[in-house]
Amino acid sequence: AQSVSQHNHHVILSEAASLELGCNYSYGGTVNLFWYVQYPGQHLQLLLKYFSGDPLVKGIKGFEAEFIKSKFSFNLRKPSVQWSDTAEYFCAAPGAGSYQLTFGKGTKLSVIP
Amino acid sequence: NAGVTQTPKFQVLKTGQSMTLQCAQDMNHEYMSWYRQDPGMGLRLIHYSVGAGITDQGEVPNGYNVSRSTTEDFPLRLLSAAPSQTSVYFCASSYSNWYQPQHFGDGTRLSIL
Repeated sequence: AQSVSQHNHHVILSEAASLELGCNYSYGGTVNLFWYVQYPGQHLQLLLKYFSGDPLVKGIKGFEAEFIKSKFSFNLRKPSVQWSDTAEYFCAAPGAGSYQLTFGKGTKLSVIP
Repeated sequence: NAGVTQTPKFQVLKTGQSMTLQCAQDMNHEYMSWYRQDPGMGLRLIHYSVGAGITDQGEVPNGYNVSRSTTEDFPLRLLSAAPSQTSVYFCASSYSNWYQPQHFGDGTRLSIL
């Protein structure tokens, strides 16, 4: 089985602050990892994904994530957040013997102008 | 605009009633899936399809049926609604695989009384 942990339930930042959202997964065989974003009142969108190669993955809107296999982590980062980054962020990973994604509970990000 | 269209956006049902949530995509994607999103939880996969005539169960299939008679449509049926099925339902499609949803619909907010 797979579990995906997002340790921060709600993060509040001022504009221009740096962001790091934690994501840890339990199944060590995982190599496919995803971050999705859900803006207020909208549907989920794929932010970035890691399948192989360079463990530092760049996504849309200036986001990036680093896959650290030894730490079972795939943290999401952005050097300088904007008010428009206010959204809920979900980390996801497939389980053992299955492609089916397990999603974390999400981290709500509020950016204060 | 191309995308995934879900209807209705909101629905209130009484326990025991049945209904069908509609999902249509116009991107000619082979892969479609249904997820439910509950407060404080990530998305959970209900059913998915890898093409017309082919469906399979996800993590939480009980109480739901699906069919895929055409590439475009993937309806989700609640057979006998229960309060535990109160949730927000998202349909998603993908051109690459069933387990990596790429395009989501706007969701259907369903309340079972």
